[in-house]
Amino acid sequence: KQEVTQIPAALSVPEGENLVLNCSFTDSAIYNLQWFRQDPGKGLTSLLLIQSSQREQTSGRLNASLDKSSGRSTLYIAASQPGDSATYLCAFYSGGGADGLTFGKGTHLIIQP
Amino acid sequence: ETGVTQTPRHLVMGMTNKKSLKCEQHLGHNAMYWYKQSAKKPLELMFVYSLEERVENNSVPSRFSPECPNSSHLFLHLHTLQPEDSALYLCASSQDRVGTNTEAFFGQGTRLTVV
Repeated sequence: KQEVTQIPAALSVPEGENLVLNCSFTDSAIYNLQWFRQDPGKGLTSLLLIQSSQREQTSGRLNASLDKSSGRSTLYIAASQPGDSATYLCAFYSGGGADGLTFGKGTHLIIQP
Repeated sequence: ETGVTQTPRHLVMGMTNKKSLKCEQHLGHNAMYWYKQSAKKPLELMFVYSLEERVENNSVPSRFSPECPNSSHLFLHLHTLQPEDSALYLCASSQDRVGTNTEAFFGQGTRLTVV
């Protein structure tokens, strides 16, 4: 069974710090990997999508990398702000029998003002 | 506005009730999905529709019944649910079901409470 592990499960840091969220997956034959943000009780907002042929994607203060050979992805957040507080989820699409995304449990991030 | 709209946002229903969740996407996508998010568990895929045809069932109990009348609308009909079915139900869509155009866009979810 494909699995996604996100470390750490929770993180609390002061405003302004740069931070890294980690995601590891067991299936290296992925089509793409997607990072999402989820605010409490809300839906998911897509942050970045990395295709299997790509190594990284950047959007503003966010940078996501993908290393298929080691089964890892990282989300780098620069100069964190209180508004970045949310749960961050990674998910991959493998295009196999399960034609949907396989999700991790997420990293709950708190940015202290 | 994410392009995927779900109604209602909150729903409380008794175990003998029948209700329906609605999802509408304004993105011109061909694939739509229902996911369930329970406390402390990863999102679980429930159903996949591609061009209005169901592709994946994922062994979901029959008390959940999906319907996709067209590529823009997706419903989840609920009947005789159990308290453990209380969760956040999320709808998503993507351009295609397979290949590289599978970036998923989610709605805001319906918070379902079964009493």
